[in-house]
Amino acid sequence: GQNIDQPTEMTATEGAIVQINCTYQTSGFNGLFWYQQHAGEAPTFLSYNVLDGLEEKGRFSSFLSRSKGYSYLLLKELQMKDSASYLCAVMDSNYQLIWGAGTKLIIKP
Amino acid sequence: TAGITQAPTSQILAAGRSMTLRCTQDMRHNAMYWYRQDLGLGLRLIHYSNTAGTTGKGEVPDGYSVSRANTDDFPLTLASAVPSQTSVYFCASSFNGEGDYGYTFGSGTRLTVV
Repeated sequence: GQNIDQPTEMTATEGAIVQINCTYQTSGFNGLFWYQQHAGEAPTFLSYNVLDGLEEKGRFSSFLSRSKGYSYLLLKELQMKDSASYLCAVMDSNYQLIWGAGTKLIIKP
Repeated sequence: TAGITQAPTSQILAAGRSMTLRCTQDMRHNAMYWYRQDLGLGLRLIHYSNTAGTTGKGEVPDGYSVSRANTDDFPLTLASAVPSQTSVYFCASSFNGEGDYGYTFGSGTRLTVV
């Protein structure tokens, strides 16, 4: 079966760095997405990786290793507004997105 | 503002009643999707449409139907609602169902079936 695993919840301190991991087992691979979802709101697109390596976008970076079935989202200089759920999703061989359950990130002052 | 519009924002529905959740996009995306999101579970695909005139079943299609008469609209119908259909429903669209464009989501419909 297809499976996406990510931690349920993480806590970090304002100004610090946090890494959210995602491992996956899917039927084929056509890219990995990270989305941010604030409570009561819709998911919003953060990043896309299809090749191995690190993609950097401001304070957020996303890494992919296809051979290990592994990705992480790195958030630097954490701000209170970064408190949200972070969803990992993999596009399978049928170009359907398979979603993880999300990681709730709590930022403390 | 371009994007996806869902209606209603929230609804309380009596079990056994029917309801249609509306979804309209103005980005000319050819692929559209309906998901439900429940606490502790990931987004689960109900139905999808890769292009106008075609639809497909997702992971949890039972009790739901969709139609795609044109590019912009993708309504989701519950023929006879049951309490297990209490959830938050998100409509999404993407440029061609593949590639790095990502999905754009509507703001969601919170449905409670009592």
